Amino acid sequence: EPEVTQTPSHQVTQMGQEVILRCVPISNHLYFYWYRQILGQKVEFLVSFYNNEISEKSEIFDDQFSVERPDGSNFTLKIRSTKLEDSAMYFCASSEFRSLGTARELFFGEGSRLTVL
Amino acid sequence: GIQVEQSPPDLILQEGANSTLRCNFSDSVNNLQWFHQNPWGQLINLFYIPSGTKQNGRLSATTVATERYSLLYISSSQTTDSGVYFCAGDRDDKIIFGKGTRLHILP
Repeated sequence: EPEVTQTPSHQVTQMGQEVILRCVPISNHLYFYWYRQILGQKVEFLVSFYNNEISEKSEIFDDQFSVERPDGSNFTLKIRSTKLEDSAMYFCASSEFRSLGTARELFFGEGSRLTVL
Repeated sequence: GIQVEQSPPDLILQEGANSTLRCNFSDSVNNLQWFHQNPWGQLINLFYIPSGTKQNGRLSATTVATERYSLLYISSSQTTDSGVYFCAGDRDDKIIFGKGTRLHILP
C-alpha cells in the first residue's frame, strides 16, 4: 500500500541551527501539507502546497519556515533558525484531490520528532 | 476558521466495553476524517467520512453533516485501542484537528 515517508524520524539540534525535514508523498498525490504536534497537544496545521506554491498557511508558519518541492518526489520543510518552542513532532501529509467540494482524504507520514536544545 | 470540539477529552474503559466518541464542528466542513494516534505517535487513518456511516471491523463512524457532528463507535474494546483519537475537518484548504479524546483500555 502506498505511503507517505518522512526522514529523519528524530533529529536533535541546537537552538539557532537550520533544520530540514524531508517527506516523500504518495506518488499520484497533488496536495501536500505540513502539520506539527507539540508534545501532548493537538495536531496543528502549518502549510498546504499545491502546484509548486503555498496555497494556505497558518499564523505559526512565519518567516522562519519555508517549504519546497526540489524535485518530483521530495517535499521539504525548512526551519531557518530553530527555537526551543519548535520542538515538536512534524507530520507530512498528502492528498489526491483538491478540496472545495471534491473528495480529499489525507494520508500522514509517521512524523519527524524535532528536539531543540 | 472552524472550531472542532471533541468529547469526552479522556475516557477509561475496561477491555470489552463499548464507547462512543463525538466530534462537533462550528461550521459545515467539506471533508471529515477520524485518526488514531498510537503510543508511538503515528497517525493512523480510521475513516474518511464526510457524511453517512461506515464500518470497519469493531469500529464504525457516522457523520451527520447537516447537524455538523460525527461519532466514532468502538465496540468490544481491546488494549491495543488505547491512544488518542482525533477528528479533523476542513473548509477552504486547511484541515483542522480537534484536541482529541485520550482513550485508556484497561486489561
